[in-house]
Amino acid sequence: AQRVTQPEKLLSVFKGAPVELKCNYSYSGSPELFWYVQYSRQRLQLLLRHISRESIKGFTADLNKGETSFHLKKPFAQEEDSAMYYCALRGNAGGTSYGKLTFGQGTILTVHP
Amino acid sequence: GAGVSQSPSNKVTEKGKDVELRCDPISGHTALYWYRQSLGQGLEFLIYFQGNSAPDKSGLPSDRFSAERTGGSVSTLTIQRTQQEDSAVYLCASTPDGWGSYEQYFGPGTRLTVT
Repeated sequence: AQRVTQPEKLLSVFKGAPVELKCNYSYSGSPELFWYVQYSRQRLQLLLRHISRESIKGFTADLNKGETSFHLKKPFAQEEDSAMYYCALRGNAGGTSYGKLTFGQGTILTVHP
Repeated sequence: GAGVSQSPSNKVTEKGKDVELRCDPISGHTALYWYRQSLGQGLEFLIYFQGNSAPDKSGLPSDRFSAERTGGSVSTLTIQRTQQEDSAVYLCASTPDGWGSYEQYFGPGTRLTVT
C-alpha cells in the first residue's frame, strides 16, 4: 500500500523567513514524488516533481529514500506563496497503479507580511 | 488550448437525490482520473479511465458511485441516493496516457453539497 503523510495541517511564517513543508511516504518500490499547490480560487496545479530536480518559484524538494521523505523548502517565503500544498506519490510508471496519485492531507501555508 | 473543464461548478442537492458530475478532459488525453477533496479525508482517488474503460475503480467509496466515459472524452460521475458524507469537491484530471509518464492536469472541480 502507498501512503503519504504531511504532519502539519497549518504552517505560518513571516515574509522573508525560511519555510519547510514536510512530507513522508511509504511505498514498496521506486515512486515518483510531486508537490501540488492550490492558490485561493485556483485549480490544483503541479509545483514540482522530484525527477526534474528543478527549482520552481524558489521552491526545491529533495527525495530522501533513506528517510522516505520529500520535504518542500524555500529559503525566503513570500506572501504570494500562501496556499494549500499537497505532497503526492505516483507508483511505478506502467504498473497497475495506472498513474494514479496518492495525496497527503495537505498543508495550508500562510505567509504573513 | 483549453484545460480540463468540469460542470456544474457548484451543486446543492437534497439527501437521497441522484447527481451527475461532468468532466471534459483536454483534447487528446486518453487517461482520465476522478478524485475527491473533502475536509476529513484530504484528496482521494476515485476512479481511472483509459479510453472508455475503467481498469481501476478501487477508490469508489460505495456502489452508489459510478462513472462512465464515452468517445474517449467526456466522463460523468454519478452518485445515487446522495448522503451528507458525499459533500466534497470532486476533481477531474487528465493526462496524455495512463502509464504515469505525464503530469496530471486538473479541472476546477465541482463542489457538491448534500443537505
